Amino acid sequence: GAVVSQHPSWVICKSGTSVKIECRSLDFQATTMFWYRQFPKQSLMLMATSNEGSKATYEQGVEKDKFLINHASLTLSTLTVTSAHPEDSSFYICSARDREKYNEQFFGPGTRLTVL
Amino acid sequence: KQEVTQIPAALSVPEGENLVLNCSFTDSAIYNLQWFRQDPGKGLTSLLLIQSSQREQTSGRLNASLDKSSGRSTLYIAASQPGDSATYLCAVRPDSNYQLIWGAGTKLIIKP
Repeated sequence: GAVVSQHPSWVICKSGTSVKIECRSLDFQATTMFWYRQFPKQSLMLMATSNEGSKATYEQGVEKDKFLINHASLTLSTLTVTSAHPEDSSFYICSARDREKYNEQFFGPGTRLTVL
Repeated sequence: KQEVTQIPAALSVPEGENLVLNCSFTDSAIYNLQWFRQDPGKGLTSLLLIQSSQREQTSGRLNASLDKSSGRSTLYIAASQPGDSATYLCAVRPDSNYQLIWGAGTKLIIKP
């Protein structure tokens, strides 16, 4: 089956620093990738949708200058949390849509971000 | 506006029982519906995907049904095992180019 990887799986950083999370589709091409955030005991919240080669579309309430998304290739999207603060601590999950499989979405394992 | 609801929010059953998880959606015009599993602190695993033209999908002990006219999907788990304990999420895709609309999930606990 289609595999999506994320790196790193967890990261701890100091307040004010920036953190980059990578999302890769390993065996398929993903024209669209999605970034989600999940707080403890809550469901997924879509942050943004990124299409290869174009700017990401952010959901209402998500600061695009704080959460920078780059989708430079059909297999890689990155999310950079700039000037992270403790309230940004969360579980970040990416997913990639396989256009060859009825646009089915496959999810990465997630990245646990803890900002001290 | 499409809304997805999952009932119950939590379920605890003894090992070996067959069980049903429910998912309802308000707009019957969907492209497909997916069931996912999420283990604590982990990412999502896609379990079953049902296209709008399909009535059900099966994988091992799992069977998912789809009734668009009534706006419902069920996930049937046969002969439950402790390893089935997880949160199960239902998500609907309104059309081929739209993102998933998520239910809040059902937390399932299978007691040994």
